[in-house]
Order: sequence, then C-alpha cells, then structure tokens
Amino acid sequence: GAVVSQHPSWVICKSGTSVKIECRSLDFQATTMFWYRQFPKQSLMLMATSNEGSKATYEQGVEKDKFLINHASLTLSTLTVTSAHPEDSSFYICSAAGGQTANYGYTFGSGTRLTVV
Amino acid sequence: RKEVEQDPGPFNVPEGATVAFNCTYSNSASQSFFWYRQDCRKEPKLLMSVYSSGNEDGRFTAQLNRASQYISLLIRDSKLSDSATYLCVHNDYKLSFGAGTTVTVRA
Repeated sequence: GAVVSQHPSWVICKSGTSVKIECRSLDFQATTMFWYRQFPKQSLMLMATSNEGSKATYEQGVEKDKFLINHASLTLSTLTVTSAHPEDSSFYICSAAGGQTANYGYTFGSGTRLTVV
Repeated sequence: RKEVEQDPGPFNVPEGATVAFNCTYSNSASQSFFWYRQDCRKEPKLLMSVYSSGNEDGRFTAQLNRASQYISLLIRDSKLSDSATYLCVHNDYKLSFGAGTTVTVRA
C-alpha cells in the first residue's frame, strides 16, 4: 500500500530556532499534502493544504510566515516551524492525497512530536 | 459549532463486552464519513468507512443516521487490543476530525 515517510519522529529544540519536518510519499505521487497539528487530548487540526508547485492554503488562524510549507515535488513536502516557541510544542502529522489505497487516497505520516524548550 | 463532536469518554469495558458511541456532525450536506483509530502518540489509521446503509467489518459496525446527523460505531466482543481513541471524521474536500472517544478494554 501507499506509504508516507515522515521525519523526524521527534525533535527537541531551543526556543527561537527553526525546525523542518519532511514528508515523503514513497511509492506514489502526492498531488496534495495536508499538514495537521494535534495538542494533547484534542483533535487533529488542519493547518494548511498544499498542492505540488503552488502556494499552500492556510487555515484561519495559522500564520503562514511562521509555518512555512514547501511542496516542490510530487514526493516531498516540508513544514518549517520558524522561530519556535514552547507553545508550538505539539504533534505534527502530514497526510498525502494521491495514493492508491483503500484509505480513499489519504495516507498519513507517522507524525513528529515537537518539544520546544 | 464544531464540524464533528464526540463524547470523549472514556469508556471502560471488560473484555468481551459490547461498546458503542456516537458522533454528531453539523453539516447536513456532508456525504462522506469515516472512523479512524488512533493509538497513543501515533498517527490515525483508517478503521472503516461509514455508509448510509450501515456497514460491518468483523466485530465493528458503523451506522449513519442522516435525519439526526450522527454516526455511530459499535464494537462487539471487545479485545484488549481495541483500547484506543476512535476518531470520527468527515470528508468535505478535506478531512475534519472529531476530538476522539477513548475506549479502554480491561482484562
């Protein structure tokens, strides 16, 4: 089946630094990538939707200058958390559309747990 | 109002028991629903789709009630491995997740 590889699986960084999270579709072309964030005991909240080769569409309340998304190829999308602060500590998950899977085309990465200290 | 709302639980049940819970949705035009399962600190995984006619997959049964705008999930003969958070999801050109219902199956 379709696989999305996400890394790092966890990262601890100092406040003020930037962190890049990568999602790669390993055996299919991901035309659309979704980036989610999940705080403890809360639901996954969609942050942005990106289509290969075009600018990402951000959900209301998500700062596009803080969460930089690049979807330069059909197999790679990156999310960069710039100038991270402790309140950015969360579980970030990507989901790719375009794979041939029983999941109606949505394949999730394994998530990245970000802790900002 | 949230697009999907769930009873957070937790539902604590003994092995072999039946457990059921619902999820309500706000958009009456929504067509496509799913149940996902999420284990602690892991990504969500598709459990099953939800069809208007109701559908069953082994010990799991999903139902959609359009008149009352809710979907349900029933788990029969609960196993310890069923302990997880179950997420109600609807697909309206993007996936919208509920906050999840936690189920704990005890020996």
